[in-house]
Amino acid sequence: HSALTQPASVSGSPGQSITISCTGVSSDIGVYNSVSWYQQQPGNAPKFLIYDVSDRPSGVSNRFSGSKSGNTASLTISGLQPEDEADYYCSSSTNTSWLFGGGTRLTVL
Amino acid sequence: EVQLVESGGGLVQPGGSLKLSCAASGLTLSGSVIHWVRQASGKGLEWIGRIRNKANSYATTYAASVKGRFTISRDDLKKTAYLQMHSLRAEDTAVYFCSRQREEILGNSYHYMDVWGKGTTVNVSS
Repeated sequence: HSALTQPASVSGSPGQSITISCTGVSSDIGVYNSVSWYQQQPGNAPKFLIYDVSDRPSGVSNRFSGSKSGNTASLTISGLQPEDEADYYCSSSTNTSWLFGGGTRLTVL
Repeated sequence: EVQLVESGGGLVQPGGSLKLSCAASGLTLSGSVIHWVRQASGKGLEWIGRIRNKANSYATTYAASVKGRFTISRDDLKKTAYLQMHSLRAEDTAVYFCSRQREEILGNSYHYMDVWGKGTTVNVSS
């Protein structure tokens, strides 16, 4: 398995919505609904945002949402806020291994 | 407070060994899968491996990049997991995080890492 493919960067203005894609193959994202997303602020550990493609843990804003179509998962952030500026990583797990995407740097203009 | 705390990082020469620890508090380690994930400076997250709990025979799985060189173990009585690293290379230089995945129970599985440590830095250099 190779790393999942994410765009290197995305940007948006406060109040706008952005979507980050995460592309795998038929043997990972395409077959498993075990996609999760993490937010990492500079110098900090990753923070858990989304699990099982589209579920949010308690405490995570409903401005964050996830979806999947075929081999591609997506994270949408609506109503962008300055504090959303961070790196975002997708992950997909199989029975024996985990994959991370290369990460996407979100810039809030 | 639920937390994981890594320790044991430092400077090591190429070819050397190092053992990292991941101490858990506020959570039931015995009901957890422990993962190790690393991040080279300015780079993305790389999954290294994981160890399941006693009920799952402490099964381990590793990424191809570290298989045969790294070993994950755990001591549930001490609430600590370990990452033993041998034959270290310059490309192993990174911040190493441990993270927790809830272990599968009663048919329910949890495919996410919900608790992360702050990381410990390993620098492989002569």
